[in-house]
Amino acid sequence: AQSVSQHNHHVILSEAASLELGCNYSYGGTVNLFWYVQYPGQHLQLLLKYFSGDPLVKGIKGFEAEFIKSKFSFNLRKPSVQWSDTAEYFCAVKNRGNNRLAFGKGNQVVVIP
Amino acid sequence: DTAVSQTPKYLVTQMGNDKSIKCEQNLGHDTMYWYKQDSKKFLKIMFSYNNKELIINETVPNRFSPKSPDKAHLNLHINSLELGDSAVYFCASSQDTVGTEAFFGQGTRLTVV
Repeated sequence: AQSVSQHNHHVILSEAASLELGCNYSYGGTVNLFWYVQYPGQHLQLLLKYFSGDPLVKGIKGFEAEFIKSKFSFNLRKPSVQWSDTAEYFCAVKNRGNNRLAFGKGNQVVVIP
Repeated sequence: DTAVSQTPKYLVTQMGNDKSIKCEQNLGHDTMYWYKQDSKKFLKIMFSYNNKELIINETVPNRFSPKSPDKAHLNLHINSLELGDSAVYFCASSQDTVGTEAFFGQGTRLTVV
């Protein structure tokens, strides 16, 4: 079965610190990979996605992620966070066989001014 | 114009009642989803429809019944509501092509008392 793992559910850091959130999935077939962000009280919004080509993808608000196929990973990074990056971050994997879009448990990121 | 809209945004009801949540998307997408987000922010897929046909039905109690009258609508009906049904329910839609992300509605916060 397809599953998505995110570690370090709670992350607290200061402004200007670097952020890296890990994501691993357990499906061997063709997948599309996504990172979504959920700001407090809001719905999910897409940060970035990968489906083919350059494994290093850049998204909105200075975020980027790297797909490493051999490690089944799609880690999210931002070199310097801002207070406004305080949010819940979700990694998602779409099984191309049946379009099932599964989410990890999320990372709650709190940026202290 | 809202791409994926859900109604109502808030729903407070007593145990044992039957309620419905409506979802509409104006993006012309083929696939629609329902997700349940619990108090720990975990997003669990419940159902997925493609062109009005049910393609994913996770382990969800029979009290939950999705209905898709057309490609643009996916409603969720819940019978005999229980306290444990309290959560935020998100509707989403996506196009059935490689690399396309899901777009989410604003969510419906259901509170069962």
